[in-house]
Amino acid sequence: AQTVTQSQPEMSVQEAETVTLSCTYDTSENNYYLFWYKQPPSRQMILVIRQEAYKQQNATENRFSVNFQKAAKSFSLKISDSQLGDTAMYFCAFMLLNAGNMLTFGGGTRLMVKP
Amino acid sequence: DAMVIQNPRYQVTQFGKPVTLSCSQTLNHNVMYWYQQKSSQAPKLLFHYYDKDFNNEADTPDNFQSRRPNTSFCFLDIRSPGLGDAAMYLCATSRDLIGNTQYFGPGTRLTVL
Repeated sequence: AQTVTQSQPEMSVQEAETVTLSCTYDTSENNYYLFWYKQPPSRQMILVIRQEAYKQQNATENRFSVNFQKAAKSFSLKISDSQLGDTAMYFCAFMLLNAGNMLTFGGGTRLMVKP
Repeated sequence: DAMVIQNPRYQVTQFGKPVTLSCSQTLNHNVMYWYQQKSSQAPKLLFHYYDKDFNNEADTPDNFQSRRPNTSFCFLDIRSPGLGDAAMYLCATSRDLIGNTQYFGPGTRLTVL
């Protein structure tokens, strides 16, 4: 079975600064996908970024980028130029290819962006 | 905009009184999922439909049932809600079952009195 670990239950960052959220996972499989989802307080969970394991290039979406280290089984999320609207719960998630599209979530990291 | 819609956003029910939560989608996705999310925890998958095929997670209590009358709609029925069933219920969809991103609705927050 796959597991996903987010070792930082809570983090804070000053507005306009950069913050990195960590995620590690455990699998013996080679073909999978990794995701970061953002869930603002009382609001919808939305996809931030997606990474295919077969791609060596790190995925980026505007101010959000990942550092994907396949050998180390690490998938951290970097948020640059943090904004107040980035305040949210962030979930790292793992999905095996050809295994029913099921997500395995980490425990989440609560990020607070301070003005 | 194509999206996943959940109604109602907030639902209050009494202990033991059946309740139904609704999810609809305009994405025309084949797969619909129901998750339970308790405060500050990760979502927990209850079950999913691939088209009309129903797939129950092994540890989902019998108290939870689901119906999918057509591609667009999926319902979560809680037959006899207990206090421990108070949670956020999230609906999600994906195009298919092979490496497809799941898209979430806004959730229904269920309170059990």
